[in-house]
Amino acid sequence: DGGITQSPKYLFRKEGQNVTLSCEQNLNHDAMYWYRQDPGQGLRLIYYSQIVNDFQKGDIAEGYSVSREKKESFPLTVTSAQKNPTAFYLCASSMRGNREHHNEQFFGPGTRLTVL
Amino acid sequence: KQEVTQIPAALSVPEGENLVLNCSFTDSAIYNLQWFRQDPGKGLTSLLLIQSSQREQTSGRLNASLDKSSGRSTLYIAASQPGDSATYLCAVRGNYGQNFVFGPGTRLSVLP
Repeated sequence: DGGITQSPKYLFRKEGQNVTLSCEQNLNHDAMYWYRQDPGQGLRLIYYSQIVNDFQKGDIAEGYSVSREKKESFPLTVTSAQKNPTAFYLCASSMRGNREHHNEQFFGPGTRLTVL
Repeated sequence: KQEVTQIPAALSVPEGENLVLNCSFTDSAIYNLQWFRQDPGKGLTSLLLIQSSQREQTSGRLNASLDKSSGRSTLYIAASQPGDSATYLCAVRGNYGQNFVFGPGTRLSVLP
């Protein structure tokens, strides 16, 4: 089955600890995205990558880091510098280009991160 | 800066009713608009994608319309069912960037 997988589904972090969230896709999409979702708010963009070995900060990148060493993978690290990391994290991917349905985003199942 | 709003924040209807969800955006220079469904604790499921040159898209009981000049999109759900209960989000992508801006969502409850 083609799709986007995220792991783990639930993650608990202690104060001062870095944690890494996994995102893998087998849709052959060039672009990948990380969003954060808080109750009652829309999704906010953390980082995105249009191509391997390149990524850009989104609206709320402080306290987060990413890498894009492979087309299929876009892991997100939540560092100790992120002061309020408890949230639901969603990974997405899309094709690039200007054809119809390029840029349509597809989402993974999410990772719920809780700080203890 | 693009802002996206969705009204109402929550909606409860009896089964079988036709309903309309609203999405408004402040900058009409959009590339496309996408509607999603999100079940509690789950990821987003893509419902419909409307390109800026299109006026509407249909998929089964769902119909989404786009009026760029007024900065509005509506999602019409015909003959609602309890299984339609979820949060519905719209997202807009601008002409000059690659990123979507999301609305806060409308939480729909369809009562049997």
